Amino acid sequence: GEDVEQSLFLSVREGDSSVINCTYTDSSSTYLYWYKQEPGAGLQLLTYIFSNMDMKQDQRLTVLLNKKDKHLSLRIADTQTGDSAIYFCAESIVGNNDMRFGAGTRLTVKP
Amino acid sequence: EPEVTQTPSHQVTQMGQEVILRCVPISNHLYFYWYRQILGQKVEFLVSFYNNEISEKSEIFDDQFSVERPDGSNFTLKIRSTKLEDSAMYFCASSGAGGDYEQYFGPGTRLTVT
Repeated sequence: GEDVEQSLFLSVREGDSSVINCTYTDSSSTYLYWYKQEPGAGLQLLTYIFSNMDMKQDQRLTVLLNKKDKHLSLRIADTQTGDSAIYFCAESIVGNNDMRFGAGTRLTVKP
Repeated sequence: EPEVTQTPSHQVTQMGQEVILRCVPISNHLYFYWYRQILGQKVEFLVSFYNNEISEKSEIFDDQFSVERPDGSNFTLKIRSTKLEDSAMYFCASSGAGGDYEQYFGPGTRLTVT
């Protein structure tokens, strides 16, 4: 496909794990990112992964990369109400300054 | 922690007017970017800027748009004659020497063209 694609909505219960999925477009994409956008706020870089990695873990966040399928996921362990936000997947290629974003997944965490 | 700042947070302007959106990137960063997000749509790349010149721009960034780094700290986006469809959230971002990763975004300026 031509676009970075994400499902638009995800709803989980507090304490559960959330998994947000993304498919990206370019197998030569070098960096893949997850950004968080809270209401009225800017984009906050959560984590990124270099394309020669399969997994990256940072506290409650785990990023998994499947290069063959061009699939990226973000797992949030022990999801809290403060995690409610829109999560954007993005890709960039070395030597190319633009980033391509998905449409964002709205995560709703219910108490 | 250093952060990217943007002013104003909300700008309302009439169609045909010029607007300047301002950004202060993180001080030791070298690459600067503008993105926009029309309400309910994707974040879209507009332009990147390095070494006092545009390094890349998208097809959205037409002759109505220009960018400038007038001094050592500010990075501006000018829209010469605004149209209704320019209404969007405009995000500034900056990154360090690598240029390709860890882009840090500002809080955005909401531009409303009436």
